[in-house]
Amino acid sequence: GAVVSQHPSWVICKSGTSVKIECRSLDFQATTMFWYRQFPKQSLMLMATSNEGSKATYEQGVEKDKFLINHASLTLSTLTVTSAHPEDSSFYICSAREPLLIGYTFGSGTRLTVV
Amino acid sequence: QQPVQSPQAVILREGEDAVINCSSSKALYSVHWYRQKHGEAPVFLMILLKGGEQKGHEKISASFNEKKQQSSLYLTASQLSYSGTYFCGILTRDDKIIFGKGTRLHILP
Repeated sequence: GAVVSQHPSWVICKSGTSVKIECRSLDFQATTMFWYRQFPKQSLMLMATSNEGSKATYEQGVEKDKFLINHASLTLSTLTVTSAHPEDSSFYICSAREPLLIGYTFGSGTRLTVV
Repeated sequence: QQPVQSPQAVILREGEDAVINCSSSKALYSVHWYRQKHGEAPVFLMILLKGGEQKGHEKISASFNEKKQQSSLYLTASQLSYSGTYFCGILTRDDKIIFGKGTRLHILP
């Protein structure tokens, strides 16, 4: 089955620093990947759609300059949280759809804690 | 555009049944169901593509009523492993999944 690998699983960083999260499709090519954010006991909120070779499209209310997305290859998308603040602490999850399957596969998620 | 799920939470004893509902104010083209365990990523359960479609996997099944713009997930003879938060997601025209707020299911032994 389709596998999406996300790294790191968790990260603790100081306020004001930047953090990069990687999302890889291991056994398929993904021209599109999706980034979600989930606060404790809440739903998965779509942040942006990552498009290979072009700019990401962001959902309303998501700061483009704060959450930088790069989709440089068909198997890798990265999310960089710039100048992180405690309110950015959350569970970040990526997902992609293997073209021959109809369900979306999620990465294992990254728990970001900003102190 | 976010689908509405009900109930918000359910507590069952092992072996009991549960129904989780998902409705949308907009026309539905497909409905996805996922289960998420605490601290883990969501796991795909099933997708319903056509109105009236029903699917099942072991003792978990789902139906999709296109006219009513709703889907229901049925858990029969629940097992401890069914505990978690269930999310329905609707697929938008640009292939994005928008999730409901989730239904927390807790199974007691």
